[in-house]
Amino acid sequence: DTAVSQTPKYLVTQMGNDKSIKCEQNLGHDTMYWYKQDSKKFLKIMFSYNNKELIINETVPNRFSPKSPDKAHLNLHINSLELGDSAVYFCASSQGPGSYNSPLHFGNGTRLTVT
Amino acid sequence: KQEVTQIPAALSVPEGENLVLNCSFTDSAIYNLQWFRQDPGKGLTSLLLIQSSQREQTSGRLNASLDKSSGRSTLYIAASQPGDSATYLCAASNQAGTALIFGKGTTLSVSS
Repeated sequence: DTAVSQTPKYLVTQMGNDKSIKCEQNLGHDTMYWYKQDSKKFLKIMFSYNNKELIINETVPNRFSPKSPDKAHLNLHINSLELGDSAVYFCASSQGPGSYNSPLHFGNGTRLTVT
Repeated sequence: KQEVTQIPAALSVPEGENLVLNCSFTDSAIYNLQWFRQDPGKGLTSLLLIQSSQREQTSGRLNASLDKSSGRSTLYIAASQPGDSATYLCAASNQAGTALIFGKGTTLSVSS
């Protein structure tokens, strides 16, 4: 009965490969997010979707492409992986965007290592 | 552009102490401010949410305050326990109200 679930938990791959991370929430929330946590533990917003519509795209290379097939899912596809993409990627959801004053619920993260 | 700063970066206290974690933000036009806890290798758990019209929120031994005019929030933890050891992150909404902007966190260690 996990609220926000991400798969896989760990992902090890070589430079130049393409990979995807999946996220699903069963909270009935309208808004989903991808955050990146770098090696210094700094958490930075990448994308936000509200009702399957992209509302934030924060200076992320276009090698990263989010896809939201429905309100409950937000997947992240990464093309031509680079060493600097190594990080922990967190999916999150909330009832609405930040202005709705609803808490964020986070998944447990996907640790991506690019070799 | 919203920026969030947390001080101190790390804090070690003996069990039973009361402590305060500090958070400051640059853009006072926020919708809300949230405090989270992150355990090693885990996701973030929401602790408290303070709406822009509120001054404080309480949950058990935790109390968070918000002073929008000075761009500051504090998280007060009473009677700390070893189980409180974790990284505490503060996040303020961006001006558009579309996402949360996070600080770098304060790593708390409570010794028994």
